[in-house]
Amino acid sequence: AQSVTQLGSHVSVSEGALVLLRCNYSSSVPPYLFWYVQYPNQGLQLLLKYTSAATLVKGINGFEAEFKKSETSFHLTKPSAHMSDAAEYFCAVSGSGGSNYKLTFGKGTLLTVNP
Amino acid sequence: DARVTQTPRHKVTEMGQEVTMRCQPILGHNTVFWYRQTMMQGLELLAYFRNRAPLDDSGMPKDRFSAEMPDATLATLKIQPSEPRDSAVYFCATSMAGGTETQYFGPGTRLLVL
Repeated sequence: AQSVTQLGSHVSVSEGALVLLRCNYSSSVPPYLFWYVQYPNQGLQLLLKYTSAATLVKGINGFEAEFKKSETSFHLTKPSAHMSDAAEYFCAVSGSGGSNYKLTFGKGTLLTVNP
Repeated sequence: DARVTQTPRHKVTEMGQEVTMRCQPILGHNTVFWYRQTMMQGLELLAYFRNRAPLDDSGMPKDRFSAEMPDATLATLKIQPSEPRDSAVYFCATSMAGGTETQYFGPGTRLLVL
């Protein structure tokens, strides 16, 4: 069984400030972990993914995330927020390989960027 | 630029009517997922298919929802009869099994049942 908890349904930052979106997971098997972004009235777009290679994963738009097994976390960061980063962000987990195709999503975190 | 396409993008209907939503997977993708997104429940997995065969539809209300893949280029999700509580955004996502299972999402169908 797998689950994802995203701490904070809404995060607000100033333009140029650090972005930190938190994600903790639970998985009975080694996980694959994903961050997706959803802009208004659009589908979800993959930002980055962890698939048991390097624990620090770099994604698109300057985002990165670090897999910490001891903390069961996969927090998303960006050093300097842009106005265009305003969107909803979803963390998701699936089982690694085998026949586990299902993604379990967190509830999402809405990021607001203030000028 | 390969993308998942969904039609219609928006649908307004009256309670009791049949609704059919369509999804065209990215060419070569053999796994198709249907999700429903609402403010209250977030993203819920309704069903998914592998090589056109249903693998899991436990998230789908069986009495009114049905999902099929008539061929490799088309997946459908039907609601009959529709109810106001079915109002949501329905997403199709596809992936190539055997890799890292990255799912690529379509733009969604925004359904409003009056």
